[in-house]
Amino acid sequence: DAGVIQSPRHEVTEMGQEVTLRCKPISGHDYLFWYRQTMMRGLELLIYFNNNVPIDDSGMPEDRFSAKMPNASFSTLKIQPSEPRDSAVYFCASSKGDRGYSNQPQHFGDGTRLSIL
Amino acid sequence: SQELEQSPQSLIVQEGKNLTINCTSSKTLYGLYWYKQKYGEGLIFLMMLQKGGEEKSHEKITAKLDEKKQQSSLHITASQPSHAGIYLCGADRPGSNYKLTFGKGTLLTVNP
Repeated sequence: DAGVIQSPRHEVTEMGQEVTLRCKPISGHDYLFWYRQTMMRGLELLIYFNNNVPIDDSGMPEDRFSAKMPNASFSTLKIQPSEPRDSAVYFCASSKGDRGYSNQPQHFGDGTRLSIL
Repeated sequence: SQELEQSPQSLIVQEGKNLTINCTSSKTLYGLYWYKQKYGEGLIFLMMLQKGGEEKSHEKITAKLDEKKQQSSLHITASQPSHAGIYLCGADRPGSNYKLTFGKGTLLTVNP
């Protein structure tokens, strides 16, 4: 079975440019999460969706960050304009919401390593 | 302060040795998740614990959740180089609505 697919794997761009990260969740999963990982702050939740609807975006650092989920199989995280402090590894994860009878952990993609020069 | 504290931050062991990693929460947990991460890769799900006193094993890795549901330990028996990586604990809480908070991780090095 295909896992969570993220693209690109690596992105290097100059400050001020727009950056778009992409994620395809596991088929059948109704929750999608965007995280950012840095050495200083560890793994932080940015935003998550349920059935394509944003539920909690309190972790989004600034208005420069936006996320969309136009359908159940695709989500984007956009940074515009990008800044050097946005450099990090960005992860997408998905899960099924039903915890009634079985473990339903979040499954992570391999991440996008973003460097803003 | 961190909601989830992991200890130790890093650990170097000789192949074949046993080791334990701890994860302590400042609040009551609903579920505790253990993940492993290799450099440049995503997080791989290991185990989930929900009930106080619960213990689960997968190959040579055992995880426990204490009765009060505020601390978990991950124990590796007879460690191998393939066990090397970063181990992260994540937790959700009553009312968190599927949001996970993660510890900063424990970096494990296993020397052959």
